[in-house]
Amino acid sequence: SQQGEEDPQALSIQEGENATMNCSYKTSINNLQWYRQNSGRGLVHLILIRSNEREKHSGRLRVTLDTSKKSSSLLITASRAADTASYFCAGSGGSNYKLTFGKGTLLTVNP
Amino acid sequence: EAGVAQSPRYKIIEKRQSVAFWCNPISGHATLYWYQQILGQGPKLLIQFQNNGVVDDSQLPKDRFSAERLKGVDSTLKIQPAKLEDSAVYLCASSLDLASSTDTQYFGPGTRLTVL
Repeated sequence: SQQGEEDPQALSIQEGENATMNCSYKTSINNLQWYRQNSGRGLVHLILIRSNEREKHSGRLRVTLDTSKKSSSLLITASRAADTASYFCAGSGGSNYKLTFGKGTLLTVNP
Repeated sequence: EAGVAQSPRYKIIEKRQSVAFWCNPISGHATLYWYQQILGQGPKLLIQFQNNGVVDDSQLPKDRFSAERLKGVDSTLKIQPAKLEDSAVYLCASSLDLASSTDTQYFGPGTRLTVL
């Protein structure tokens, strides 16, 4: 079963705007990770937030985590056409830190 | 550093045929993963190795799928016989240290399998 469920499934914005994607998960996690996947390519790790953290920044990325609501959000500021991709959240759980992915959000940034 | 290598990149077979995928992880990475990604969905873990031992294969359809990592480095994933629903991208990933709560997985480009 999918651990994360992203919302929205698809998002289309103009270059320079901010993009916000949300993720909900079902079971307890050690950490939550966000990945990007360009069409026809492998996944690229973006950012990891531990279960005891509430917010984390990396460049134009901001991730929040609310363990009481079992939800996370990814904010991309000042988006660029090159940010066009699918974005997945993945909860890491269990003793083997198994990653369980959601279905992803398809982000399209129009120039 | 070199990334995770996979081959072939594309494969088209007919149902009931066999197919094998190869993965070479990042040098020094002890943990290796195989994922199946069906179109429109997120990756699903099939099997996880720590060195040459299996850590998790709970979602591997063992009646037709098999995987090995004999020397703790390269790995192969085999499907025999293939079904139409096996059409997907098969992703290999590796990570340095399974025991770390902040372990990051690095993904290869994937093999796109089409079963006709």
